[in-house]
Amino acid sequence: NAGVTQTPKFQVLKTGQSMTLQCAQDMNHEYMSWYRQDPGMGLRLIHYSVGAGITDQGEVPNGYNVSRSTTEDFPLRLLSAAPSQTSVYFCASTTISGAHNEQFFGPGTRLTVL
Amino acid sequence: GNSVTQMEGPVTLSEEAFLTINCTYTATGYPSLFWYVQYPGEGLQLLLKATKADDKGSNKGFEATYRKETTSFHLEKGSVQVSDSAVYFCALSHGSGNTGKLIFGQGTTLQVKP
Repeated sequence: NAGVTQTPKFQVLKTGQSMTLQCAQDMNHEYMSWYRQDPGMGLRLIHYSVGAGITDQGEVPNGYNVSRSTTEDFPLRLLSAAPSQTSVYFCASTTISGAHNEQFFGPGTRLTVL
Repeated sequence: GNSVTQMEGPVTLSEEAFLTINCTYTATGYPSLFWYVQYPGEGLQLLLKATKADDKGSNKGFEATYRKETTSFHLEKGSVQVSDSAVYFCALSHGSGNTGKLIFGQGTTLQVKP
């Protein structure tokens, strides 16, 4: 089991560029989510999905799009990057009954927007 | 709304010292409470959890008790090691309708010196 994998590990963008952060899990988890981590603010939920074809917004969704075409994959798209999106991004997954369950996190993608 | 507040860091201790990291929460109903740990350059991993009042979570010598009367979930360890140096996050998750949505505190950096 690879668990939750994320690519790339590091990325530098210029303002206005677009990119997709990849996330995949091999645990057959229904629930997947994206968080961003900023100094002094902990992690904040961007978007989440409770299954293939279903996505919803979290606390800080503006500037990000997601889709969930398969159980395994949950990519995060930045359509027009802004310096405020400089952050470390974590993908996580858990089972659908997972309010009490452990969430499994990927290793993160460190994004810098110039 | 729901929120989690952790003590400010960084916390610097000598090896074998006693550790307390305070965590208090604001939430309606009966959330589940978690401590996650992030080692340098890695993603978050679950350290311990408690799902109802008076539950005690424990793992790797760390403990935390779910105190509903004081809305707290303080993390403790009797004797820290250099290998415990990491960032610690307190988090809460609600039940039905909020599967997998974690609300994090801002994180507390622990540095243990030999």
